[in-house]
Amino acid sequence: RKEVEQDPGPFNVPEGATVAFNCTYSNSASQSFFWYRQDCRKEPKLLMSVYSSGNEDGRFTAQLNRASQYISLLIRDSKLSDSATYLCVVKTSYDKVIFGPGTSLSVIP
Amino acid sequence: DTAVSQTPKYLVTQMGNDKSIKCEQNLGHDTMYWYKQDSKKFLKIMFSYNNKELIINETVPNRFSPKSPDKAHLNLHINSLELGDSAVYFCASSLLRGSSYNEQFFGPGTRLTVL
Repeated sequence: RKEVEQDPGPFNVPEGATVAFNCTYSNSASQSFFWYRQDCRKEPKLLMSVYSSGNEDGRFTAQLNRASQYISLLIRDSKLSDSATYLCVVKTSYDKVIFGPGTSLSVIP
Repeated sequence: DTAVSQTPKYLVTQMGNDKSIKCEQNLGHDTMYWYKQDSKKFLKIMFSYNNKELIINETVPNRFSPKSPDKAHLNLHINSLELGDSAVYFCASSLLRGSSYNEQFFGPGTRLTVL
């Protein structure tokens, strides 16, 4: 089993749609959780951290379920500019960070 | 103003050659990383240095040797390049202490093609 797994993509959604991405991790001792975004042929950039109580940043909502070892990202009112690959990232120990394989999102006009 | 910079941006070379990629960060971070992103887009950590000391060394062939002359620089030297080394190599940096979430800032990547 891979340490971090994500929904297989790609997701193709119309503008204005709500889309959810899932991520599971295998190491129950994992400490911190993040979503990164990577545009085509660009470097990954932090989208948001994921807090135990769940957190929201504008149209983006992240949730963490430690018991199920599951992380989610919800994007509401999708924009064309949201098209990218979304990477689930888990910090497992002293600065060891594992990136999931990513889920590709295309928002269609 | 570039936070994490890498050179070169593109590198095309023949099998068997030796090449280096340089990375510099001006964020005052104490930890730097090298990642490899292959054709399947999987981003895998290779090395991590904290204050010039190696703290993570994943299963990477010993043809790859990182060198950190100071905490703002982490270079990657690759000996005897193979076809399978073709990938995009990303450098990143973060603060290991003093930051709750240790956000990693990535360089723009070096696209290595081995012919």
